[in-house]
Amino acid sequence: EAGVVQSPRYKIIEKKQPVAFWCNPISGHNTLYWYRQNLGQGPELLIRYENEEAVDDSQLPKDRFSAERLKGVDSTLKIQPAELGDSAVYLCASSLEDLAQETQYFGPGTRLLVL
Amino acid sequence: GDSVTQMEGPVTLSEEAFLTINCTYTATGYPSLFWYVQYPGEGLQLLLKATKADDKGSNKGFEATYRKETTSFHLEKGSVQVSDSAVYFCALKDTNAGKSTFGDGTTLTVKP
Repeated sequence: EAGVVQSPRYKIIEKKQPVAFWCNPISGHNTLYWYRQNLGQGPELLIRYENEEAVDDSQLPKDRFSAERLKGVDSTLKIQPAELGDSAVYLCASSLEDLAQETQYFGPGTRLLVL
Repeated sequence: GDSVTQMEGPVTLSEEAFLTINCTYTATGYPSLFWYVQYPGEGLQLLLKATKADDKGSNKGFEATYRKETTSFHLEKGSVQVSDSAVYFCALKDTNAGKSTFGDGTTLTVKP
């Protein structure tokens, strides 16, 4: 079974440019998460989807970040415009259901460098 | 809010040494607890988990016991191998679902 797929794996952009990340979760997984992981730190949740509904976007910087999960499958996370401080690894994860005991399966991440 | 505190690294051990990585947490409810591992160049993957107090999670020789009285979930392995070199993350997810909270990770290097 294929795991969580993310693209691109690496992205280098100049500040003020837009950037988008794509995630395809494991088939049948209803819950999808986007995390940001700064160097030397653990992942921090940006947004959580239950099917196509964003059920927790309290940590998403809405002035520049947006996300969508059309049809409750693939998801896209966008930053516009990017700032230097956005340099990080952006992780997508999915789980079967949004329950406390459910395991999250992580993709390999997209490493973003903003110059 | 919820928080997870992990033992700071890096940790360097010789092969076959005993490993302990400490993890303590604060949570408003009764969370499930997880250890994830990230091998070089790879994404995070689940190592083990425990969903209620006194449960013991185990996998690949690693163990951790959910201690509600001390709010801890320490990771242990009796004899580490070079292939165990990775970053280890302790995490919790509360019973009302909601967001997961991760520690900052502990880098383990095992030398032959």
